[in-house]
Amino acid sequence: DAGVIQSPRHEVTEMGQEVTLRCKPISGHDYLFWYRQTMMRGLELLIYFNNNVPIDDSGMPEDRFSAKMPNASFSTLKIQPSEPRDSAVYFCASSTRMGAFFGQGTRLTVV
Amino acid sequence: QKEVEQNSGPLSVPEGAIASLNCTYSDRGSQSFFWYRQYSGKSPELIMSIYSNGDKEDGRFTAQLNKASQYVSLLIRDSQPSDSATYLCAVNPSSGNTPLVFGKGTRLSVIA
Repeated sequence: DAGVIQSPRHEVTEMGQEVTLRCKPISGHDYLFWYRQTMMRGLELLIYFNNNVPIDDSGMPEDRFSAKMPNASFSTLKIQPSEPRDSAVYFCASSTRMGAFFGQGTRLTVV
Repeated sequence: QKEVEQNSGPLSVPEGAIASLNCTYSDRGSQSFFWYRQYSGKSPELIMSIYSNGDKEDGRFTAQLNKASQYVSLLIRDSQPSDSATYLCAVNPSSGNTPLVFGKGTRLSVIA
């Protein structure tokens, strides 16, 4: 398996624009997580899905953030409108009971 | 609020020494524990898991768990410069396959 695949790897956008991050989890993993990492706050859980159903989105910072998982092999995290304080690395991870496995991340810069 | 605490470091050790990384957690019912290594600019990589009290060895790495003290550690023997990274402790809270709670990580620097 190729592991968790995220795209794009880097995204630079202007404030106010819509940003969509994409994730393909490892086949057979029934949990998918979106994390955000900054130097100040470390790794923060934004939202997670079980069998494509959102379970807990309490970590989503504002209504500007939304996430979907239309099927077992694809998820998106959308920010609309984006703001400079959204600049961070966004990780997608999928898991079994043996642990969570991370994608390479998307480095988002909002200018 | 479930919390995982780690010393942010940096922890500096000479090449060939033992590096000891420590982590405490607040949820007494936690069942599984993980160590991730994250190189600068890269994603976290799972390197060790431990589920029961005691030691678990994998090559140069040993994870130690003490549930009574709510403490988990990672020992790296014969440290190499390539071990220089941030090490994240992660805990699975008591309720099954739920999201891991991560510490903020300890930055390790192995000096050649």
